[in-house]
Amino acid sequence: AQRVTQPEKLLSVFKGAPVELKCNYSYSGSPELFWYVQYSRQRLQLLLRHISRESIKGFTADLNKGETSFHLKKPFAQEEDSAMYYCALNHNAGNMLTFGGGTRLMVKP
Amino acid sequence: NAGVTQTPKFQVLKTGQSMTLQCAQDMNHNSMYWYRQDPGMGLRLIYYSASEGTTDKGEVPNGYNVSRLNKREFSLRLESAAPSQTSVYFCASRNYNEQFFGPGTRLTVL
Repeated sequence: AQRVTQPEKLLSVFKGAPVELKCNYSYSGSPELFWYVQYSRQRLQLLLRHISRESIKGFTADLNKGETSFHLKKPFAQEEDSAMYYCALNHNAGNMLTFGGGTRLMVKP
Repeated sequence: NAGVTQTPKFQVLKTGQSMTLQCAQDMNHNSMYWYRQDPGMGLRLIYYSASEGTTDKGEVPNGYNVSRLNKREFSLRLESAAPSQTSVYFCASRNYNEQFFGPGTRLTVL
């Protein structure tokens, strides 16, 4: 069965420090992974997807099939990055997403 | 375009009461979803609808029913609410590989 694990419920860093939000998954098929973000008082929105290999708002994430990980990284955190971050796995022919438990990122001034 | 809309935004129920959460999207998407969000558990899929006229169970369907009324609307019904159903409920719709979420409904069952 598919599973997504985000081991940290809360991550607190100072502005300008590097950030890494961890995500590990288990899935027997070929994984398609995403990061979603929920800013305060806003709806959940897509941040990035592994297929695109893009950098959004300075964030990147690389799929490591050997370690079954999809960690989200940013070299220099900003206060506006404070939010709830969810890693998600696409499965069942793309019809379903399984989400991790989420990590709350707090960037202190 | 409004995207995905949900009503109501907040609701308080007593145990045993029933209610329907409404969701609509104006993006002409085929697939729609209902999730619940609980602290530390992320979002868990309750039901989804791959297309108009079809619905399927997700991870946590017990205590819920859904109706895909037409392409735009996908409602979630609680027939007899229980305190364990206190949660934030999100509706979503999907294009090729991105899900778009509504603002959520915060439900409290006393």
